[in-house]
Amino acid sequence: DIQMTQSPSTLSASVGDRVTITCRASQSVNNWLAWYQQKPGKAPKLLIYKTSSLGSGVPSRFSGSGSGTEFTLTISSLQPDDFATYYCQQYNSYFTFGGGTKVEIK
Amino acid sequence: EVQLVESGGGLVKSGGSLRLSCAVSGITFSDAWMSWVRQGPGQGLEWVGRIKSKGSGGTTDYAAPVKGRFTISRDDSKSTLYLQMNSLESEDTAIYYCTWHYYDSSGYHYIGYWGQGTQVTVSS
Repeated sequence: DIQMTQSPSTLSASVGDRVTITCRASQSVNNWLAWYQQKPGKAPKLLIYKTSSLGSGVPSRFSGSGSGTEFTLTISSLQPDDFATYYCQQYNSYFTFGGGTKVEIK
Repeated sequence: EVQLVESGGGLVKSGGSLRLSCAVSGITFSDAWMSWVRQGPGQGLEWVGRIKSKGSGGTTDYAAPVKGRFTISRDDSKSTLYLQMNSLESEDTAIYYCTWHYYDSSGYHYIGYWGQGTQVTVSS
């Protein structure tokens, strides 16, 4: 089974900051990597698929990069609506999620 | 508008059974690949299993912790997805989400849309 490891688990940041979250896979997942945003009490929402493709309606301040086993999600300028938990997910072989990164207000 | 509406959650004793349903609208359900994903209290997301469309064989796959205890099925005539859960354990306590797969030209499927979830609580 492919394991996904996210870091950090918690991130404190201010509005306007550039934020980067890392996701590492235990083996290559090629580019089959997605990112989701989840707010408290709500279902997750697709942000990015295939490493760097933006989901429908997702603001351009979100971007993804990487390949193989190492991936990043970047928020170029953090907005108040972006304080949430972010999960990576590989879909090269079934589905596996990372443990999540909570982005909180500094 | 796409809607995935889960139901059937509740409180059940350890060793018991429960069947979740997910009523789907706004898409051609018979063509859809679907998954169940769960989230334990204060925990991250865990994939439970998936079912392919009948056109793709209609087969199912499960995560190791639920294999042999949970069964995913579908009724295309009712646009409804099911999750039959047997031999429930306290570790199965979670919010269960019904999800719809998207895919691109590569043919690889990923989760594109989530329902709002239904709570399952297993008491010991």
